[in-house]
Amino acid sequence: GAVVSQHPSWVICKSGTSVKIECRSLDFQATTMFWYRQFPKQSLMLMATSNEGSKATYEQGVEKDKFLINHASLTLSTLTVTSAHPEDSSFYICSADRQGIGEAFFGQGTRLTVV
Amino acid sequence: GENVEQHPSTLSVQEGDSAVIKCTYSDSASNYFPWYKQELGKRPQLIIDIRSNVGEKKDQRIAVTLNKTAKHFSLHITETQPEDSAVYFCAASTGGGNKLTFGTGTQLKVEL
Repeated sequence: GAVVSQHPSWVICKSGTSVKIECRSLDFQATTMFWYRQFPKQSLMLMATSNEGSKATYEQGVEKDKFLINHASLTLSTLTVTSAHPEDSSFYICSADRQGIGEAFFGQGTRLTVV
Repeated sequence: GENVEQHPSTLSVQEGDSAVIKCTYSDSASNYFPWYKQELGKRPQLIIDIRSNVGEKKDQRIAVTLNKTAKHFSLHITETQPEDSAVYFCAASTGGGNKLTFGTGTQLKVEL
């Protein structure tokens, strides 16, 4: 099956700093990747759709200037949490859909803790 | 946009019993319905999925049924085992690489 790799798996940062999370499709090209956020004991909430070579599409209520998404190649999307605050602490997870299959392949997730 | 509701939020069964989790969706254009199992701190794992051109799909102890008219789909786990204990999420999408909308999740506990 398709493999999606996400790094780092966990990160602790100080309030006010920025953190970059990478999502790579290892054995297929992904024109579209998705970024989700999951708070403890809650569901996965879509933050944005990352499109290769174009701007990301953000869900309502998600600040695009705070959560910067870059999808510069067919195998890599990055999410940068800028000026992180404790309320941004969450589990961030990406997924990619190998074209024509419809099945989402998830990265391992990143546990972000802002102190 | 799509809205997916999931019930129950928690489910406790005895080992060997069956477990049923139900979801409803709102967008009639949705045509892909996966179910995921998620263990604490891990990524969701696809356990079974169904597309709108079929009404039922089975894979060993796991089955999914879909009622397009009523816009609901269900997960059935038979002969439950302790290792089935996890959080289960249903989801819906219009397929073809489109975004998934997740249900709220069901914490399944299989007791010895």
